[in-house]
Amino acid sequence: DTGVSQNPRHKITKRGQNVTFRCDPISEHNRLYWYRQTLGQGPEFLTYFQNEAQLEKSRLLSDRFSAERPKGSFSTLEIQRTEQGDSAMYLCASSLELGWLSLDEQYFGPGTRLTVT
Amino acid sequence: KNEVEQSPQNLTAQEGEFITINCSYSVGISALHWLQQHPGGGIVSLFMLSSGKKKHGRLIATINIQEKHSSLHITASHPRDSAVYICALRQSYNTDKLIFGTGTRLQVFP
Repeated sequence: DTGVSQNPRHKITKRGQNVTFRCDPISEHNRLYWYRQTLGQGPEFLTYFQNEAQLEKSRLLSDRFSAERPKGSFSTLEIQRTEQGDSAMYLCASSLELGWLSLDEQYFGPGTRLTVT
Repeated sequence: KNEVEQSPQNLTAQEGEFITINCSYSVGISALHWLQQHPGGGIVSLFMLSSGKKKHGRLIATINIQEKHSSLHITASHPRDSAVYICALRQSYNTDKLIFGTGTRLQVFP
């Protein structure tokens, strides 16, 4: 399978616990995006990487959230001290950006559904 | 005011009907995406437009940059088209993040 993969697909955790999600992008893609989607809403941008550099973070990404892409391949999103309001679908997407020859179609993973009880 | 708005929010149709979903936006863009999301969360990109019209099978997407409006049409709709259709913008002066509409939930009945 050469698509974007995310693990785990579902996570149930108790309030106050830390959780970590993983995203494996399409292998040649240099850009990786994290989005959050709550029930009945469209996704909202959280952050994105070009290779290993985190280029932009949304104000939605509080100091309890941290994302890394250490080798420019897979990425992790960690939420510390989870709150019930963190319950959502966390989506990852990747794309290939070549500057002036930009192929900016984003390919989405299946998402990780987080439930905080 | 939301930067991108979709209408209708919910749409039901009988199999075979022609369907139109609209997206209006208020910011400058470099591209507009139409995405399909099935129950369970998976998102598939249908089209990426910066001008004109694109067609793929029974799906047609159009965009009018001057009017800041795009439409997604489905001809000869089928129950398997039932999904949420989302319009997303890539802003021209910003980075590559997408700004999403809230989606149109389509149900096609046999």
